[in-house]
Amino acid sequence: AQKITQTQPGMFVQEKEAVTLDCTYDTSDPSYGLFWYKQPSSGEMIFLIYQGSYDQQNATEGRYSLNFQKARKSANLVISASQLGDSAMYFCAMRGLTGGGNKLTFGTGTQLKVEL
Amino acid sequence: DSGVTQTPKHLITATGQRVTLRCSPRSGDLSVYWYQQSLDQGLQFLIQYYNGEERAKGNILERFSAQQFPDLHSELNLSSLELGDSALYFCASSDRTGLGTEAFFGQGTRLTVV
Repeated sequence: AQKITQTQPGMFVQEKEAVTLDCTYDTSDPSYGLFWYKQPSSGEMIFLIYQGSYDQQNATEGRYSLNFQKARKSANLVISASQLGDSAMYFCAMRGLTGGGNKLTFGTGTQLKVEL
Repeated sequence: DSGVTQTPKHLITATGQRVTLRCSPRSGDLSVYWYQQSLDQGLQFLIQYYNGEERAKGNILERFSAQQFPDLHSELNLSSLELGDSALYFCASSDRTGLGTEAFFGQGTRLTVV
């Protein structure tokens, strides 16, 4: 079975500061993919970043980077230079070989609030 | 805009009723996924179709069913609705399957059962 744990229900960050959202995972699959999604108050789910379990380097996408520590089974999202528009719910998710490698298993999310 | 279209955006219905949620995937995407987001269960995978065939099944109740049509749009049918079925239902699509496949989500259908 796959499990994603996000232990921070809510986070506050000052505008222009960096923030790290924690994510740990558990899986017995030898290969897996890790994803982060953003859900603004409007409700849609927006893909942010992807990390493959065998990728040698940490993924980066603009202001988003993923701090992947395989031995610790963690895949933390780092948002640099926070903006007011970053205020949203953030979900960590994984896809493994279990179930045909198709379904995404999501964590419970972290509500991020960016303040002036 | 993800390119995935879900209709309707909002739906209010009574217990015991049946509803159909519709999803049009991004142009060219063969895979469609359905997810349910509720306050108590979080985001849960329901079912996946790939090019018209069921590919994977998650925590989908027997009262729920889905299908993908030849034009690749998909419908999720929810019957004998209960209060606990109130949730945001997402459809997502992707152009392939596999571990690194990014899924693009629609804006969701918010179902309220009264």
